[in-house]
Amino acid sequence: DAKTTQPNSMESNEEEPVHLPCNHSTISGTDYIHWYRQLPSQGPEYVIHGLTSNVNNRMASLAIAEDRKSSTLILHRATLRDAAVYYCILRDSPRSGGYQKVTFGIGTKLQVIP
Amino acid sequence: NAGVTQTPKFRVLKTGQSMTLLCAQDMNHEYMYWYRQDPGMGLRLIHYSVGEGTTAKGEVPDGYNVSRLKKQNFLLGLESAAPSQTSVYFCASSLGQIWNEQFFGPGTRLTVL
Repeated sequence: DAKTTQPNSMESNEEEPVHLPCNHSTISGTDYIHWYRQLPSQGPEYVIHGLTSNVNNRMASLAIAEDRKSSTLILHRATLRDAAVYYCILRDSPRSGGYQKVTFGIGTKLQVIP
Repeated sequence: NAGVTQTPKFRVLKTGQSMTLLCAQDMNHEYMYWYRQDPGMGLRLIHYSVGEGTTAKGEVPDGYNVSRLKKQNFLLGLESAAPSQTSVYFCASSLGQIWNEQFFGPGTRLTVL
């Protein structure tokens, strides 16, 4: 199964852009790249997802490498509220006879410095 | 809309006791999921359901049972709790397609003594 690799932690200054990297060198052609974040003492919340093209929404941008082996979540102006654990995950259809394995990993803990 | 709600928020059990965690969603989602989160382990999928009356095993199903008798509810049962099941449990739901986002509940913190 395709896995993702993220740095354990990152720091950013408030109001500066943040680039959170994710490596997924064994990604398959049908895997969607999803990003979630988890604020302290809360459940994860969806941030953004993409397949091949770069994506933008009100929360963030997702830049996907041409070979799809890596992606970067971009927060354009980090705020204190963005301090969270960010998870990069891959989602694919359930394997035959198996289950829909969605591995969140331990994510990247983002600290935002005032 | 309340989204995804979980009951209870906290629970302490003794080894061998049983309990049921309730997850409810009001978004008419087909898929529902149960995860556990342990320090340094990320979230791991326990069981999931692709529709009313269906359940399937996830990554770490041993020691848990689930039921989806109504579309809006997904129950997670522990028949004989063990200290290794001390964790934070999250329920989630989604429309089901792999590009759909999952909506998570606030979590249930379970301690087994």
